[in-house]
Amino acid sequence: KAGVTQTPRYLIKTRGQQVTLSCSPISGHRSVSWYQQTPGQGLQFLFEYFSETQRNKGNFPGRFSGRQFSNSRSEMNVSTLELGDSALYLCASRPLVGLAFFGQGTRLTVV
Amino acid sequence: GDSVTQMEGPVTLSEEAFLTINCTYTATGYPSLFWYVQYPGEGLQLLLKATKADDKGSNKGFEATYRKETTSFHLEKGSVQVSDSAVYFCAFAMDSNYQLIWGAGTKLIIKP
Repeated sequence: KAGVTQTPRYLIKTRGQQVTLSCSPISGHRSVSWYQQTPGQGLQFLFEYFSETQRNKGNFPGRFSGRQFSNSRSEMNVSTLELGDSALYLCASRPLVGLAFFGQGTRLTVV
Repeated sequence: GDSVTQMEGPVTLSEEAFLTINCTYTATGYPSLFWYVQYPGEGLQLLLKATKADDKGSNKGFEATYRKETTSFHLEKGSVQVSDSAVYFCAFAMDSNYQLIWGAGTKLIIKP
């Protein structure tokens, strides 16, 4: 069974640009959550999608948005990038009731 | 509000030393408790879990016991190896929606 796949693995963007990250969950998992991990703030929850609907949301500005498609794949978008958005972005998928499985993450560097 | 407090890192030990990483939680109700591990350059992997009081989770020589009376879930290993060097995250979830509440993570460095 394939794991959670995040693309791309690494990304370099310039301040002010926007970026879209992708996450393909484990087959059969309908929930996808996104996290931001930085050395200073640790692991912070961004949002969770379930069956194409945002179910939970963390405390991030509106520049951070996401969506989920009918095949459960999810994308996360960050607009007007700031230097502080440099982080490892992790995606986790889980079934209706069960444990979260994480992808390897996308390392975003904003210059 | 709900939260997890973990021992601050980094924790630096010599190979074969005894490891304890403390974790306490604040939650309304009785959550399921987890330890996740993140090896360098990787995502998080579930290390072990416990779903009710006095349960002991174990995996790869690591153990943690769900202590309801002290709201704790300390991670222990009797003899660490260099390959255990990683960041360890304590987390919990209420069964109703399984949204995970995370600790800040503890970086573990094992020296040969």
